[in-house]
Amino acid sequence: GAGVSQSPSNKVTEKGKDVELRCDPISGHTALYWYRQSLGQGLEFLIYFQGNSAPDKSGLPSDRFSAERTGGSVSTLTIQRTQQEDSAVYLCASSFRQGRWEQFFGPGTRLTVL
Amino acid sequence: GENVEQHPSTLSVQEGDSAVIKCTYSDSASNYFPWYKQELGKRPQLIIDIRSNVGEKKDQRIAVTLNKTAKHFSLHITETQPEDSAVYFCAAGSFGNEKLTFGTGTRLTIIP
Repeated sequence: GAGVSQSPSNKVTEKGKDVELRCDPISGHTALYWYRQSLGQGLEFLIYFQGNSAPDKSGLPSDRFSAERTGGSVSTLTIQRTQQEDSAVYLCASSFRQGRWEQFFGPGTRLTVL
Repeated sequence: GENVEQHPSTLSVQEGDSAVIKCTYSDSASNYFPWYKQELGKRPQLIIDIRSNVGEKKDQRIAVTLNKTAKHFSLHITETQPEDSAVYFCAAGSFGNEKLTFGTGTRLTIIP
């Protein structure tokens, strides 16, 4: 079946511009996660959505970052007034709750801020 | 919150030898410990996981051990092959809170 998809695959933007990154989770998965992976670095947790519960935003690095999940499915990560340090690969993952833990990752969006 | 430390950051082993990657965690409530493999340019994928009610789990050439008392867990890869070259991430989580805290990763290189 279809896996997690993300768009765009690459995004180049100028410093100060806003960007939106999209994630389509696997159908039926109730949990959705956003991570940031800087070059050669680990997986930095950003935000987590679970069903209709309030999202866990504890990993968002600043108030320039926000995310929505509409209808319990598609999610959009928005970065306002981008800075060069925002350059990274942004990974989305989804999982099916009820004891099934495996997170399935999307291919990522490579964001470059010039 | 949970803090996961992973060592070493890089590891090179001769093909056919064994590789061991170690992680420690801080939250004694954590009871689920997965390992993800990320090949160059690809997405992370789950390769093995362990729950806190067992001390060891094996799947062919890979195994994971867990020491709850010491709060550390390890990934063991035996008879390494070139296709094992990748970045490996450990993680920790607890049931009822599906958020995982990941380690910083280990870049494993298998030398032919």
